Amino acid sequence: EPEVTQTPSHQVTQMGQEVILRCVPISNHLYFYWYRQILGQKVEFLVSFYNNEISEKSEIFDDQFSVERPDGSNFTLKIRSTKLEDSAMYFCASTFSGDGNQPQHFGDGTRLSIL
Amino acid sequence: DQQVKQNSPSLSVQEGRISILNCDYTNSMFDYFLWYKKYPAEGPTFLISISSIKDKNEDGRFTVFLNKSAKHLSLHIVPSQPGDSAVYFCAAFYNTDKLIFGTGTRLQVFP
Repeated sequence: EPEVTQTPSHQVTQMGQEVILRCVPISNHLYFYWYRQILGQKVEFLVSFYNNEISEKSEIFDDQFSVERPDGSNFTLKIRSTKLEDSAMYFCASTFSGDGNQPQHFGDGTRLSIL
Repeated sequence: DQQVKQNSPSLSVQEGRISILNCDYTNSMFDYFLWYKKYPAEGPTFLISISSIKDKNEDGRFTVFLNKSAKHLSLHIVPSQPGDSAVYFCAAFYNTDKLIFGTGTRLQVFP
């Protein structure tokens, strides 16, 4: 069964450094997402991406965050200058259509630890 | 943002019995509801969904019931198996493409 893959599984970064989290969505999917889960809290939406542009973003997704689909397979989340509170699990998801009829499929996440 | 709530942080059920996980929501505009299962160190895995125009959807051992007047949905797992032990998230979706998650319920199925 096709799956969403994320790398790395764990990223440790010094505060203030840039970090790039990588995702390979399911190949025929057209809608891509990033979510995060701070330890002990709920999974929160960050951003959705379709047709090479952001379709929606949450208030968490400020100017320090950016997303990119640099080629036909990768989808990346960049945090420009990391803060301690960016420590979380980051999940990438994808789906074929952007309505609720098609479930979003999630990767296993990247654990980001900011020191 | 408390639009989707799972008020029971944990549930313990004996193998072979029914597990019932509950979820409440506040936004009547939600048009799909989904249940995801999550094991440690893995991402959420889609289980089952229901459209807001239905009141029941069944897939094997999993059944989701929706009560729109009460803004309540539940996931029934019968019979429960030890492999069902995981955290279960309720999520809701409406005219944007983001999912809004509940806080999760940890289900433990014991022999």
